Amino acid sequence: AQSVAQPEDQVNVAEGNPLTVKCTYSVSGNPYLFWYVQYPNRGLQFLLKYITGDNLVKGSYGFEAEFNKSQTSFHLKKPSALVSDSALYFCAVRDPIHGSSNTGKLIFGQGTTLQVKP
Amino acid sequence: DGGITQSPKYLFRKEGQNVTLSCEQNLNHDAMYWYRQDPGQGLRLIYYSQIVNDFQKGDIAEGYSVSREKKESFPLTVTSAQKNPTAFYLCASSPSPGTSYEQYFGPGTRLTVT
Repeated sequence: AQSVAQPEDQVNVAEGNPLTVKCTYSVSGNPYLFWYVQYPNRGLQFLLKYITGDNLVKGSYGFEAEFNKSQTSFHLKKPSALVSDSALYFCAVRDPIHGSSNTGKLIFGQGTTLQVKP
Repeated sequence: DGGITQSPKYLFRKEGQNVTLSCEQNLNHDAMYWYRQDPGQGLRLIYYSQIVNDFQKGDIAEGYSVSREKKESFPLTVTSAQKNPTAFYLCASSPSPGTSYEQYFGPGTRLTVT
């Protein structure tokens, strides 16, 4: 079964330092991977995705993620954290295509709270 | 949150009452989804619809019902059979389930049942 794991409930970094939010996945076939961010009492905002091609994906607000097939990981990174980056981050994998069946379902990790301190 | 509206933002109900959450999108998307969010559990899929007049159960469909009579609308009813309905509910849409498109999310409805 497809699954996504975010091993850290919370990540704390100082403003200006680099940040990494970890994600590993288990999926049959080629994965479609996504990162979303959620601010309190709001919906999810799309940050970036990996479909195919270059393993380093650049997204919104200066975030990037590195796809590593051998380690089945898709870690989210930013070179210099801002206090405004403090939020809940979700990694997700899309349900892969099985023949003519394609639900487009997303399978989410449990989320990682990022706290950036001034 | 642009393009998908959910109403109301906060909803309070007494136990035993059915309640319907609204989700409307003006993005002309074929696929729509309902997720439930509980603290520390990520998002779990309740129902999804790939096309008008068709929908399928997700991972936690028991106690919920949906309809998809119009492309832009996908209301969710939380019935009295749902044992623990208090949660944050998120609606999402995507252009087509058969593509690499991301899902777009609404602002959510926080339901409290007492």
